Amino acid sequence: AQKVTQAQTEISVVEKEDVTLDCVYETRDTTYYLFWYKQPPSGELVFLIRRNSFDEQNEISGRYSWNFQKSTSSFNFTITASQVVDSAVYFCALPGGYQKVTFGIGTKLQVIP
Amino acid sequence: ETGVTQSPTHLIKTRGQQVTLRCSSQSGHNTVSWYQQALGQGPQFIFQYYREEENGRGNFPPRFSGLQFPNYSSELNVNALELDDSALYLCASSVGQGDNQPQHFGDGTRLSIL
Repeated sequence: AQKVTQAQTEISVVEKEDVTLDCVYETRDTTYYLFWYKQPPSGELVFLIRRNSFDEQNEISGRYSWNFQKSTSSFNFTITASQVVDSAVYFCALPGGYQKVTFGIGTKLQVIP
Repeated sequence: ETGVTQSPTHLIKTRGQQVTLRCSSQSGHNTVSWYQQALGQGPQFIFQYYREEENGRGNFPPRFSGLQFPNYSSELNVNALELDDSALYLCASSVGQGDNQPQHFGDGTRLSIL
């Protein structure tokens, strides 16, 4: 069965600090994708990134970076120089299985001005 | 391009009633998925429609039903509402049957059961 664990339920940081959101997953699939979504207070989930299991190269996009390590089944997400607009709930997600997409419980990030 | 729109935004019902939630998919998308998100939880997959056919169903009872129309918009129907059905219902659209495509979500319908 697919499983996604986000151990951090809530994180608070002061604006301009860096913050890393953790995600650990379980799957029996040999090839798979992983996603991160952001859910601001408005409710709409916004797609941030998709990575496949073949590509463990870390990626940086502006203030966002991702660290995918297949050996530890982790797909962590870092925001550099956090801003108040980054305040949201962040979900890690794993497609596959009868659930189609399995989401973690989410990490609520609060950036304090 | 038009994004995913859901209606209504908020709804209050009582136990035992029936409800219909609606979703218009993003232009060019032929797959619609529905999720239930309880407070403080991640979205839980209800079912998915691809080209008007059900293409997968999560662990929800038969009183949760749906359909997809030729224009790829979709409805979620819930019969015999229970208190535990209170949640945010999210619709997401994507392209194709594959689960590995990014999904585009609407703002959701917040359903409260009294």
